Amino acid sequence: SQTIHQWPATLVQPVGSPLSLECTVEGTSNPNLYWYRQAAGRGLQLLFYSVGIGQISSEVPQNLSASRPQDRQFILSSKKLLLSDSGFYLCAWLRRLAGGETQYFGPGTRLLVL
Amino acid sequence: AQTVTQSQPEMSVQEAETVTLSCTYDTSENNYYLFWYKQPPSRQMILVIRQEAYKQQNATENRFSVNFQKAAKSFSLKISDSQLGDTAMYFCAFMKPEVAQKLVFGQGTRLTINP
Repeated sequence: SQTIHQWPATLVQPVGSPLSLECTVEGTSNPNLYWYRQAAGRGLQLLFYSVGIGQISSEVPQNLSASRPQDRQFILSSKKLLLSDSGFYLCAWLRRLAGGETQYFGPGTRLLVL
Repeated sequence: AQTVTQSQPEMSVQEAETVTLSCTYDTSENNYYLFWYKQPPSRQMILVIRQEAYKQQNATENRFSVNFQKAAKSFSLKISDSQLGDTAMYFCAFMKPEVAQKLVFGQGTRLTINP
């Protein structure tokens, strides 16, 4: 069966420090992968998506970047965190089903920038 | 661009009651997918139900069912015999079939089931 992992689960970082959040998927190959951010009490905003190794598309210009060094690994990074980067970050993968596709989400990372 | 609107920021019902959450969307596409996701206090996003636009039959999953009105661009979620564990944020989402397969989310409805 397929599973998706994210770590760390929680992170508290000072302003100006670097960031690296990791997402890995098991039990599938060459999935589409996605990074979303959720501000408190709000909906999800798509940040990046990837349709293959080394292929990254950015949806919103910002202080963050993404990379996909391996087929089932997706990394969200920043060189210098801002207060506004605080939020809940969710990784998702696209499962191809009969009749269509569906995104499934990881457990998320809570990021607090102080 | 597609947009998804959930007009009910919060709802509250008693346990065992039936509740309906509203969702409307705007698109010029004819073929697409619609989803309801549940986000409990743990904040894990859990798929509740999905609907293919080309299917006229409304999707059902146990106590969860949808009322899909394609012409009206409406996609409501009905929860029957509500349980305390149904307390969560519920998000409606739209996906256009394309290479990227991106989801567009509504702002969510906070549902509370009272004992």
